[in-house]
Amino acid sequence: DAKTTQPPSMDCAEGRAANLPCNHSTISGNEYVYWYRQIHSQGPQYIIHGLKNNETNEMASLIITEDRKSSTLILPHATLRDTAVYYCIVRVGGYGQNFVFGPGTRLSVLP
Amino acid sequence: GAVVSQHPSRVICKSGTSVKIECRSLDFQATTMFWYRQFPKQSLMLMATSNEGSKATYEQGVEKDKFLINHASLTLSTLTVTSAHPEDSSFYICSARGDQPQHFGDGTRLSIL
Repeated sequence: DAKTTQPPSMDCAEGRAANLPCNHSTISGNEYVYWYRQIHSQGPQYIIHGLKNNETNEMASLIITEDRKSSTLILPHATLRDTAVYYCIVRVGGYGQNFVFGPGTRLSVLP
Repeated sequence: GAVVSQHPSRVICKSGTSVKIECRSLDFQATTMFWYRQFPKQSLMLMATSNEGSKATYEQGVEKDKFLINHASLTLSTLTVTSAHPEDSSFYICSARGDQPQHFGDGTRLSIL
């Protein structure tokens, strides 16, 4: 699986958009970009994933650059409950393959 | 709602005790489940891959005789930490995948005294 690079920490004001970047310059054509987050003392929570098109769901938007070497997770209106560690993971699709977690980005939403 | 249920959420026990953790996939069948371990301020580390009806595959450095994994059905995998010692204290997390992106349980915090 391709390696990802994320900033170790970020702050965001409550109510503002949180933009979390991820670099994955060695991503392969069949690898998806997944985002998970982990709130303290809980298991990782799925947020969103995509292959090459931008994606949006009720939680967030995922913007993938045209060359697929980087992506940005956008939380449009961050709340205090969005404070968590956010993991960007790239891997091939299909069953039976695990996720390799890097250190992620610790997002702190400030009142 | 949760699609992967993990039980118990917290265990405190004496050194030398064996502890069993259950991981259940709800509303879907999972031929493969994964067990992770997470130490404080660190990321999740894969311990083993649990395959229904066959032996688990362990990551390098994980003792298979200490961390027993059983995946007897398509909805249940168990991890037994045998003869647990204080260094086994950690946050254990399971995950499973059906036809949706991989989902994770809420973890089991194991504290060995």
